[in-house]
Amino acid sequence: AQSVTQLDSQVPVFEEAPVELRCNYSSSVSVYLFWYVQYPNQGLQLLLKYLSGSTLVKGINGFEAEFNKSQTSFHLRKPSVHISDTAEYFCAVGGDQGGKLIFGQGTELSVKP
Amino acid sequence: DTGVSQDPRHKITKRGQNVTFRCDPISEHNRLYWYRQTLGQGPEFLTYFQNEAQLEKSRLLSDRFSAERPKGSFSTLEIQRTEQGDSAMYLCASSPSPDRGGGYTFGSGTRLTVV
Repeated sequence: AQSVTQLDSQVPVFEEAPVELRCNYSSSVSVYLFWYVQYPNQGLQLLLKYLSGSTLVKGINGFEAEFNKSQTSFHLRKPSVHISDTAEYFCAVGGDQGGKLIFGQGTELSVKP
Repeated sequence: DTGVSQDPRHKITKRGQNVTFRCDPISEHNRLYWYRQTLGQGPEFLTYFQNEAQLEKSRLLSDRFSAERPKGSFSTLEIQRTEQGDSAMYLCASSPSPDRGGGYTFGSGTRLTVV
């Protein structure tokens, strides 16, 4: 079985500061890893994904994430956040054969001026 | 292509009534997924289809829930005898197959409120 734990439910940060949103996963098979962003009353938008290869993955809006197999982590980072980054962020894991994704409970990023 | 479309965007219903939601996936995607999201939680998997075949159902999907994708294009999710606990956002997503981690495209969701 697969599971995802997002270690912080809320992360407040000031504008232009760096941020890290933490995600740990558990799986008995090879996985794909994803970060999605959700703005209020909207669906989920893919930020980035790790499938294989380089462990540092770059996504949209200046976000990046690093896959660490030994620590079973996939933390999301941004060196300088903007007010517009305020949203809910979800980490997700899927099997390498496709199919359903398992989501974490989300981290609410709140960027303050 | 306008992406994944869900209808309606909002639905308010009285407890005990039946409701049906529709999802139109991206036309070339043959996989379609339904998720439920309650306030402050991540999406929970309900079921998915490959073409018209329903390949997996979560145990969250009680007997009151039924999903169909009769022609392998759009899908409907019906909830019978709604309960207040059914209040949630119902999200639809689609992907190509084999998706090999290509990632889903999500619709904007249908927010159900049971009063």
